[in-house]
Amino acid sequence: GAVVSQHPSRVICKSGTSVKIECRSLDFQATTMFWYRQFPKQSLMLMATSNEGSKATYEQGVEKDKFLINHASLTLSTLTVTSAHPEDSSFYICSARFLAGRETQYFGPGTRLLVL
Amino acid sequence: GNSVTQMEGPVTLSEEAFLTINCTYTATGYPSLFWYVQYPGEGLQLLLKATKADDKGSNKGFEATYRKETTSFHLEKGSVQVSDSAVYFCALSNNAGNMLTFGGGTRLMVKP
Repeated sequence: GAVVSQHPSRVICKSGTSVKIECRSLDFQATTMFWYRQFPKQSLMLMATSNEGSKATYEQGVEKDKFLINHASLTLSTLTVTSAHPEDSSFYICSARFLAGRETQYFGPGTRLLVL
Repeated sequence: GNSVTQMEGPVTLSEEAFLTINCTYTATGYPSLFWYVQYPGEGLQLLLKATKADDKGSNKGFEATYRKETTSFHLEKGSVQVSDSAVYFCALSNNAGNMLTFGGGTRLMVKP
């Protein structure tokens, strides 16, 4: 149980285009989802926290207009990287938490984004 | 604020060797503690957790004990395998579970 999927697993795009990454909880309802960014050989950096049906809360230094987060249902959150640039290339990982197991986050497999 | 400190890697061991990865934390209140493992090119998988002092989390031969007196949560395994090669992250969450604070990660390499 507690499986989280992400799609796509890899994406390559041209500079200036927008990319949407989906995060789904497959067998539970996720009241809260988190988006992280991970640079090579580094730890995870929390970008934002989203609760179903409300606006995401962004961490300091993360541009909300650049990284659009939507959490429209209890099983789906999306991260859209708008007008992507090469410096946005990174590994993006989502996690989900359900109310009953509130101290545990379950992570998706990650999405590797390469902006040319 | 909360912080997690892990021993720097990489840690290189021979198969069947004993593993210890140190983790210490600073936190207010009574956090929950976690170890996550990340295999190459993948996301994080929850390895084990402990939610209160003196709890021992265990899974797949790995163990870690929540030591409040030393604010530590060291990861141990008696006999590592090549398949254990990965990056291990220690983390804590506050009482509300709203946010995970991660350590820097420790890369483990096990040689046959």
